[in-house]
Amino acid sequence: DSGVTQTPKHLITATGQRVTLRCSPRSGDLSVYWYQQSLDQGLQFLIHYYNGEERAKGNILERFSAQQFPDLHSELNLSSLELGDSALYFCASSGAGTDLKGTFGSGTRLTVV
Amino acid sequence: GQNIDQPTEMTATEGAIVQINCTYQTSGFNGLFWYQQHAGEAPTFLSYNVLDGLEEKGRFSSFLSRSKGYSYLLLKELQMKDSASYLCAASHQAGTALIFGKGTTLSVSS
Repeated sequence: DSGVTQTPKHLITATGQRVTLRCSPRSGDLSVYWYQQSLDQGLQFLIHYYNGEERAKGNILERFSAQQFPDLHSELNLSSLELGDSALYFCASSGAGTDLKGTFGSGTRLTVV
Repeated sequence: GQNIDQPTEMTATEGAIVQINCTYQTSGFNGLFWYQQHAGEAPTFLSYNVLDGLEEKGRFSSFLSRSKGYSYLLLKELQMKDSASYLCAASHQAGTALIFGKGTTLSVSS
């Protein structure tokens, strides 16, 4: 157990629908990063939150949004889903200072049918 | 721009040594990470290099040359359980997101 909790582990939904993925970081970690991993691509950085504020955006589609709440858990919202959004979605958390590597959660496998 | 290249696949036999290379081009560079990822699982941290040279950790070692934009991961005494994808990732600033390569799938056979 890495200490980073992602729910749900699996999600199957239809095109056009909206889903919410949840991530609880390790205790004490202020940063949450979201990544998407599809078969033909590596891990693609989507967005980074630090202590409730958005810090950086990567290749995140406009149909996707995220937020980090006061208790530091984060949610990634995916809307108007397309078949190509099927992927593994990982979140990673890290603390301040020397914790540079980040710790990954076990991921949410999203299948859009 | 940011670009990280590593071979797509490699094969090796049990007990052998394998070197997985990674070249990177990033705007600003802080350090180079290696992760191991088994299919369908989360990446797990293997090593981090910020200075030039070799970092050794048991059967795994990682090397970095900042001037050449080059790193490698060396795996010794290969075991079947080492069959996995190995991800090279660069950070351009401490505390920022990592930029990952597409990963090298290593298959270890007996």
